Amino acid sequence: QLQLQESGPGLVKPSETLSLTCTVSSDSISSSNYYWGWIRQAPGKGLEWIGSIYYSGSTYYNPSLKSRVTISVDTSKKQFSLKLSSVTDADTAVYYCARCSSRKNGMDVWGQGTTVTVSS
Amino acid sequence: DVVMTQSPLSLPVTLGQPASISCNSSQSLVHSDGNIYLNWFQQRPGQSPRRLIYKVSNRDSGVPDRFSGSGSGTDFTLQISRVEADDVGLYYCMQGTHWPPYTFGQGTKLEIK
Repeated sequence: QLQLQESGPGLVKPSETLSLTCTVSSDSISSSNYYWGWIRQAPGKGLEWIGSIYYSGSTYYNPSLKSRVTISVDTSKKQFSLKLSSVTDADTAVYYCARCSSRKNGMDVWGQGTTVTVSS
Repeated sequence: DVVMTQSPLSLPVTLGQPASISCNSSQSLVHSDGNIYLNWFQQRPGQSPRRLIYKVSNRDSGVPDRFSGSGSGTDFTLQISRVEADDVGLYYCMQGTHWPPYTFGQGTKLEIK
């Protein structure tokens, strides 16, 4: 069964860059059948899609975050990564990585999530 | 962006009774390919979200048939035929038709009376 695991610092200082990595348990990260995405959930809030990437490296970002987000993929390591620059306390959230079964069908497999706190 | 509006935001239900959550989109979710990309997710306390339903009414693998989805255009419904204790949590609708971005509803909190 496919598993996704987020990793990265749990504490980031304001104005710095948040960096997270998602490790995929199978070679499906290289498959043309899937997209790979990041979603976050601020404390007590709903879900917000951050962006997605295709195995080829094509990226798609939420316009509300686009100026600060970079998502990349390394198929040789079975990983994809998120960088979010110039963070503020509004970026404090649980960050999830997920597989999307197609461009429009949304996330069918989720990681367990990792909590990132922005604080000095 | 397409705005997804759920109701109710809080849903107390007696065990064994049915439950229904509505989701309304600010634009029609009918894609030019004829499909409607409307998903429902369940998030149990302390867990990651889990997709229950995709393309309005298709259940994901392992989802009990107590869960069903329906709707068209801009109005959609998730129904639980008989609520069990395991169903407690948050439920979100999400559209993919007008991706990017995916947009989610605010969430509906289901609790047992």
